[in-house]
Amino acid sequence: DAMVIQNPRYQVTQFGKPVTLSCSQTLNHNVMYWYQQKSSQAPKLLFHYYDKDFNNEADTPDNFQSRRPNTSFCFLDIRSPGLGDAAMYLCATSRQGLHVGQYFGPGTRLTVT
Amino acid sequence: AQKITQTQPGMFVQEKEAVTLDCTYDTSDPSYGLFWYKQPSSGEMIFLIYQGSYDQQNATEGRYSLNFQKARKSANLVISASQLGDSAMYFCAMRGPNTGNQFYFGTGTSLTVIP
Repeated sequence: DAMVIQNPRYQVTQFGKPVTLSCSQTLNHNVMYWYQQKSSQAPKLLFHYYDKDFNNEADTPDNFQSRRPNTSFCFLDIRSPGLGDAAMYLCATSRQGLHVGQYFGPGTRLTVT
Repeated sequence: AQKITQTQPGMFVQEKEAVTLDCTYDTSDPSYGLFWYKQPSSGEMIFLIYQGSYDQQNATEGRYSLNFQKARKSANLVISASQLGDSAMYFCAMRGPNTGNQFYFGTGTSLTVIP
């Protein structure tokens, strides 16, 4: 089945220790998104790619970086995680078009100790 | 600016009853898409139903239907015959030509189904 895969599902990292979350898709969608979601809140868009074009949200901290080496894969790098970065990180994909929804991966729950 | 409002932080419904989750939106775009997602406690966002701004009929998907009132800018989700597995967070989202590839999400409604 075509899907969005996130690895790992659970990640524990130490304060200040860089961490990378990965996302892959078999849907061949040209748009990929990274969201941060804290408990009982709506997902917050960090950035998205339209093909290779990177779109950063204005309020995304510099501590968060992303790479998309090809259509299928996208990575979220947190250079120096703080306690406030503990959250669920959701990857999603979509095609270009108003009437096309997003398909989400299962998420990676990040704990910072 | 695009905006989605969900005014019900939490809702309770008896099993097998119907429930309506409210969503209002604000946009100046004539063409847009409206989406509902379910997020169980496991965290995965599950797409439920879609309504296009030019659709003449309300969208339906199994037990889910969308009560779309364009003039009022509302797109309420109706879940019929609630099941215990329907307990989850529900998010309304919108996509329009001026949002680019972005989706705007409401703050969500937590639904609890009571046996």
